[in-house]
Amino acid sequence: GAVVSQHPSRVICKSGTSVKIECRSLDFQATTMFWYRQFPKQSLMLMATSNEGSKATYEQGVEKDKFLINHASLTLSTLTVTSAHPEDSSFYICSASSSSYEQYFGPGTRLTVT
Amino acid sequence: DQQVKQNSPSLSVQEGRISILNCDYTNSMFDYFLWYKKYPAEGPTFLISISSIKDKNEDGRFTVFLNKSAKHLSLHIVPSQPGDSAVYFCAASLNTGNQFYFGTGTSLTVIP
Repeated sequence: GAVVSQHPSRVICKSGTSVKIECRSLDFQATTMFWYRQFPKQSLMLMATSNEGSKATYEQGVEKDKFLINHASLTLSTLTVTSAHPEDSSFYICSASSSSYEQYFGPGTRLTVT
Repeated sequence: DQQVKQNSPSLSVQEGRISILNCDYTNSMFDYFLWYKKYPAEGPTFLISISSIKDKNEDGRFTVFLNKSAKHLSLHIVPSQPGDSAVYFCAASLNTGNQFYFGTGTSLTVIP
């Protein structure tokens, strides 16, 4: 099946700094990538949907100036958490899709802000 | 390495019958399992979960069974309804929610 990678898998950063998370589709071209946030034992929360070459569509309540998403190519999307705060600590998951019927998830990135 | 596997990419069931979706995993350290449902062009939504200390969890028409010795998880939907047609993902958690591994999904079609 299709493979989606995320890097890094774990990151620890200090409050006030920015951190970038990469999401790559390794063996297919992803026209759409989704970014999710998940708290322990809770459902995935969709943060934004990005289409290659266009601006991301953010879900209600998600600050687009804080969570910068770039989908520069059909195989790469990045999520940058700017001016990170401890409450941004979470598990971030991306997924990639080449059609509306299939979505392949990355393994996730555990962000800890100290 | 795919630690959570859904070997059936698709499943078709008649309305009113039982739908059984299966999921296998390789890591015996997984401590929590979840099922998600996803409609086309939408993000997945949480459906039901089960802790590794249990073998069954039921919520309305949905029941999840866990067989730890076989490293096997299944979702039962009964009776199946056309609105249940979607892609279902199973996921497994490691380190009490610090890491999640997702299966690749099974597309369920409930035929009216």
